[in-house]
Parts: sequence; structure tokens; C-alpha cells
Amino acid sequence: QSALTQPASVSGSPGQSITLSCTGTSSDVGAYNYVSWYQQHPGKVPKLLIYDVTNRPSGISRRFSGSKSGNTASLTISGLQDEDEADYHCVSYRGSDTWVFGGGTKVTVL
Amino acid sequence: QVQLLQSGAEVRKPGASVMLSCKASGYTFSHHYLHWVRRAPGQGLQWMGTIDPNKGYTNYAQRFQGGVTMTADLATNTLYLELSSLRSEDTAVYYCARGSGGWCSGGRCGYYFYYMDVWGQGTTVTVS
Repeated sequence: QSALTQPASVSGSPGQSITLSCTGTSSDVGAYNYVSWYQQHPGKVPKLLIYDVTNRPSGISRRFSGSKSGNTASLTISGLQDEDEADYHCVSYRGSDTWVFGGGTKVTVL
Repeated sequence: QVQLLQSGAEVRKPGASVMLSCKASGYTFSHHYLHWVRRAPGQGLQWMGTIDPNKGYTNYAQRFQGGVTMTADLATNTLYLELSSLRSEDTAVYYCARGSGGWCSGGRCGYYFYYMDVWGQGTTVTVS
């Protein structure tokens, strides 16, 4: 069961927009609209940012948005801020009571 | 509020076993599946498996089958993860996370939601 593919690192300057990708297969990302994204700062617990591809939980900034095309899901961070520097993880339902995470992307604010 | 409180850090030698715990509060324990997720140094999160505390049903990720056992105690609202035959590669932070409740109707089954909404604080396991 291979992990979803995420770029190891993405960087941007404050105020810029960046997009993180999460590529799976027709058995996971492509099959279900059940992709979620988590932000994790060093030494902290993962925090839910996006669920069901596009939905934000209450309290999550509108600067975070999600989308999907085919087997690739994306997380866009608009108006990049210093506090956005963290690791970002995508996860997809894969059917048959299984889930699969990506390898994570480290976001650096220049 | 909903909380998952995990047990403290553990150090084991290769080949040993360890049992981690995760005590739930603030919601009806039997109504939600629970997941175990780990993060090894320098790696991303890995889904290890899920358990229905009400029925004891478990499903493990293929790579962890045979090496992990998930159980739940309804009397104490506590989830357990036993790791056996530990190797250095099992050094990681282990998280429990709450998932959805399940439903079945007309021969079809599913979940009310498909993400992990509340996480424990993590337990560090060092194998050395």
C-alpha cells in the first residue's frame, strides 16, 4: 500500500500564495471525495485544516483552501504568513476501512 | 470537551513489546472508531489501523499486520495499541485519533465522516 505523493518541500515569501499537491491513484484520491489535510508544527499535534477535499472546519482561516482534479488533491495557502511554516499532510480514504497518508510537505516562509 | 490522553514515553530494546494507551473523555466512546497513526523521525504520518470500540472490529494497514494489536476497554473508555517484535525503525511518535461512527443500512455500510477530528498528544516510543 503505497503512500500518497507529496513534494518534500515548498517555499514562498510572506503574502504569496503557494499550492501543495497530493497525488494518489484511482483507488484512493481519485475514487473518493474524502481527502483531508493536516498542519503540524514541530513537536505539536496534527491540526485538521481541510476535510472532504474542500471543506474547512470551524475556526480555520479562509486562507486555506482545498481542491481536487483526478487523482491529485491540492491545498492552497493564500497570503502566506510566518505562522504557516509547518509540515502539511494529506490523507485519503482508500475504501475497505483503510486510509493512506502522504509523505508530508515542509512549508518554509522565506 | 473531547480529549484523548495518551500514556507516557517508552524505551524498549529491539525484539521487545510495548503497550500504549489512549484514554477518551468528553464523548460516547463506543460511538466512534479510533485510529492509530505514527510519525517516525524525518518521515510523514503513517496510518496504522482503526478499531470500532463497540464491536472490537479492527482493520490494520497491510504493513503493520502481524506486528500490532489494537484493543479497546469500554469500561474505562481506553484504547490500547500493542507493538511486538520492535525494531529500530519503529522509533516514532504514536498518535491515537478519533474517527467517525459507522452505519449500515440495506446491506451497505459507511461512515458519517472520513477524517480524524481529535488527536491525542502523542506517545514517543524509542527502540534502542
